[in-house]
Amino acid sequence: QKEVEQDPGPLSVPEGAIVSLNCTYSNSAFQYFMWYRQYSRKGPELLMYTYSSGNKEDGRFTAQVDKSSKYISLFIRDSQPSDSATYLCAMGAGNTPLVFGKGTRLSVIA
Amino acid sequence: GAVVSQHPSWVICKSGTSVKIECRSLDFQATTMFWYRQFPKQSLMLMATSNEGSKATYEQGVEKDKFLINHASLTLSTLTVTSAHPEDSSFYICSARGLRTGEYAYTFGSGTRLTVV
Repeated sequence: QKEVEQDPGPLSVPEGAIVSLNCTYSNSAFQYFMWYRQYSRKGPELLMYTYSSGNKEDGRFTAQVDKSSKYISLFIRDSQPSDSATYLCAMGAGNTPLVFGKGTRLSVIA
Repeated sequence: GAVVSQHPSWVICKSGTSVKIECRSLDFQATTMFWYRQFPKQSLMLMATSNEGSKATYEQGVEKDKFLINHASLTLSTLTVTSAHPEDSSFYICSARGLRTGEYAYTFGSGTRLTVV
């Protein structure tokens, strides 16, 4: 079993739809969880950061972490064509390197 | 927030030459630098971790003599691809970690696209 599993997609949705992205993981030591957005030929951009379990909301984005199920989610409300990108989940503990999911390619169609 | 400047953003070089990629933390001290490689439509693959003033720790399968990493100061790390070959063509990204915790713990550069011809 890989440490972090993420469906690579691609995922195509109409503009205005609610998008749900998720990752599962196996290492119970992970303490913090991130979602990054990466546009083609660019570095990852941090979208959401969550420490331990719980929900976090920032504008149209909501991140959820369920440590008991080892499952994290990112919801995008009112999706826009500009949200079309690859979304990477990442997680870590202490000072260790982040462990990334494979990324989900999202296309929002106008 | 934290900013990491990486350059060049793209470079084309001839086979057999060496290429240096720089990564600078602009507003914080990067005690640790991570270097990643990313192939098209793939996730980030960690190549090495370097702590300021120490030798880099390379991931299994990464040739340390080919990918030279220097982290001589708290604001600058470099990756040199020596004797580059076409199979080294890829997208290279650095990530800096400083003393901050939380969401600014890891900051990524904008990446360097290397093409070896």
